[in-house]
Amino acid sequence: GDSVTQTEGLVTLTEGLPVMLNCTYQSTYSPFLFWYVQHLNEAPKLLLKSFTDNKRPEHQGFHATLHKSSSSFHLQKSSAQLSDSALYYCALSDRNTGYQNFYFGKGTSLTVIP
Amino acid sequence: EAAVTQSPRNKVTVTGGNVTLSCRQTNSHNYMYWYRQDTGHGLRLIHYSYGAGNLQIGDVPDGYKATRTTQEDFFLLLELASPSQTSLYFCASSDNWGGGDTQYFGPGTRLLVL
Repeated sequence: GDSVTQTEGLVTLTEGLPVMLNCTYQSTYSPFLFWYVQHLNEAPKLLLKSFTDNKRPEHQGFHATLHKSSSSFHLQKSSAQLSDSALYYCALSDRNTGYQNFYFGKGTSLTVIP
Repeated sequence: EAAVTQSPRNKVTVTGGNVTLSCRQTNSHNYMYWYRQDTGHGLRLIHYSYGAGNLQIGDVPDGYKATRTTQEDFFLLLELASPSQTSLYFCASSDNWGGGDTQYFGPGTRLLVL
């Protein structure tokens, strides 16, 4: 079945260093991939989602590229900011409508320190 | 931005108690979801619905019932609450199922079962 695996647990980075959070997936169909971000005491909200035409989505300095050959959608940012500290979820949605097909990874907690 | 509200925001009950969590979305989305969020497990889907009167089982349905009374309203019922159901519950909605549609989350309900 479909699944999402992401860098688990806690990631601590120093401000200014690059961010890379890994996400790989398994899917029978052609999926959309998402990154959701959840700041402390807030609800998860969409950060990025993959496009169908291989464009690279970007938002707030974050970007991710869908690589179908390696089934990956890693989240990257060139320079971490203190405000990037949050819980990040990778998620998958495929096109097989009528069947439950939205899956979240277990989340990666990112802490950025000065 | 889609609006999803939840009530109550916090709830304390005792083992064996009866609890109803409410969710309302005001964007005429077809799909609504109930998740629980626990450290180490991320977001786990309990139940979802693609319209009034419809109910689908998610990944962790045991001990939970749900009902979608209208396009806007989705309820989660815990008829014999247990301490293992202590969690943070999120409701979400989306316009469609799969196909890259974003899920919009409510602010969450924190439930403590003593």
